[in-house]
Amino acid sequence: QTAVTQEPSFSVSPGGTVTLTCGLSSGSVSTSNHPSWYQQIPGQAPRTLIQSTNTRSSGVPDRFFGSILGNKAALTITGAQADDESDYYCLLYLDSVSNWVFGGGTKLTVL
Amino acid sequence: QVQLQESGPGLVRPSETLSLTCTVSGGSISRNTYHWGWIRQPPGKGLEWIGIIYPSGGAYFNPSLKSRVTISLDTSRNQLSLKLTSVTAADTALYFCARQSSSAIDPWGQGILVTVSS
Repeated sequence: QTAVTQEPSFSVSPGGTVTLTCGLSSGSVSTSNHPSWYQQIPGQAPRTLIQSTNTRSSGVPDRFFGSILGNKAALTITGAQADDESDYYCLLYLDSVSNWVFGGGTKLTVL
Repeated sequence: QVQLQESGPGLVRPSETLSLTCTVSGGSISRNTYHWGWIRQPPGKGLEWIGIIYPSGGAYFNPSLKSRVTISLDTSRNQLSLKLTSVTAADTALYFCARQSSSAIDPWGQGILVTVSS
């Protein structure tokens, strides 16, 4: 069964830029996988950041940018701030059997 | 704006059935524009997609849970429900209901913690 892969952890300096990726254990991610991105503080409901590859949800600052980079979906955060320190998850549509699958999440540290 | 609120027992005994309800306000679940579904998160772990239901009646599930899961809609009460049979400790999790489209899952309920224990 195909798995959705994310970096387990990432670190960025305040004011810096970081790109988190979302890939497949077999194959390439495309817009047909309808990638979306979510920010979560543990114990709270996720916040939807990016829909359909690159559409920011209402209220999400333009520091957050979604794209396809090579064979992966990507979330780029520019001008990193302390409150960007969270867990980030991607969600992909795989096929009519597996349906929708979350990546394992990336824990982002801002320091 | 659409809001979702989960409710149900916080403790379920092993081998029994977990039953949760999600009340939707600010919009009708009958509209075919969106799907409605459930996601869970075991303590200290990542998100797991459970399944979705279309207002027209079709439903789709995580293959690993498919044999134990039922999701249904009560359009008269504007609610969706989740039933998970034969639960074990591995089903202990924070359960979220949510609206889903082909674009994303949004919005989310605040979540309800369900513990499986005797």
